[in-house]
Amino acid sequence: SQQGEEDPQALSIQEGENATMNCSYKTSINNLQWYRQNSGRGLVHLILIRSNEREKHSGRLRVTLDTSKKSSSLLITASRAADTASYFCATARSGYSTLTFGKGTMLLVSP
Amino acid sequence: NAGVTQTPKFQVLKTGQSMTLQCAQDMNHEYMSWYRQDPGMGLRLIHYSVGAGITDQGEVPNGYNVSRSTTEDFPLRLLSAAPSQTSVYFCASRRSTSGGGLEYFGPGTRLLVL
Repeated sequence: SQQGEEDPQALSIQEGENATMNCSYKTSINNLQWYRQNSGRGLVHLILIRSNEREKHSGRLRVTLDTSKKSSSLLITASRAADTASYFCATARSGYSTLTFGKGTMLLVSP
Repeated sequence: NAGVTQTPKFQVLKTGQSMTLQCAQDMNHEYMSWYRQDPGMGLRLIHYSVGAGITDQGEVPNGYNVSRSTTEDFPLRLLSAAPSQTSVYFCASRRSTSGGGLEYFGPGTRLLVL
């Protein structure tokens, strides 16, 4: 099945640094979504970007989408220890109800 | 609003036992879904529903049944538990049935099958 693939699998940075995660997918999409999961918890939605959008901001989050390359990136600026979590991208294909999740990027932000 | 609730939080089963994982949402969302999360595998869709009385299979439906008699509830039944079903199960819901909206997740049920 079509699936987003995040890169890198794991990322370790210091507080104050920026964190960038990438997501690649295989087929045409309606939209792409990013979620965060703290250890042992459910996923929390962060941001949705539609196929006709190229960039979106929400607080310290910046998401870009390049449909020609079938890829997206999530940038977290000025990272904090509280940003430590796993981050997942999910794609919604045109004409389909379901989301397909990638395997996630584990982000560790050290104080 | 309570959002999406799941019960139980933890469960241990023996091989061959059956059980039902409960999921409820109070946001009047039409779309509901069940995922399982295994280490290194991300989330995989088990079953989903686009409204009361309508269910469909996801990527990994074998060994699981669902029903949707009301908008609020979407229980997941394990018919005869197997060790391969040891996982963390998440229920989710969203307003849109077309894939156009963000999903709201429950806290998960951790299941161990011995």
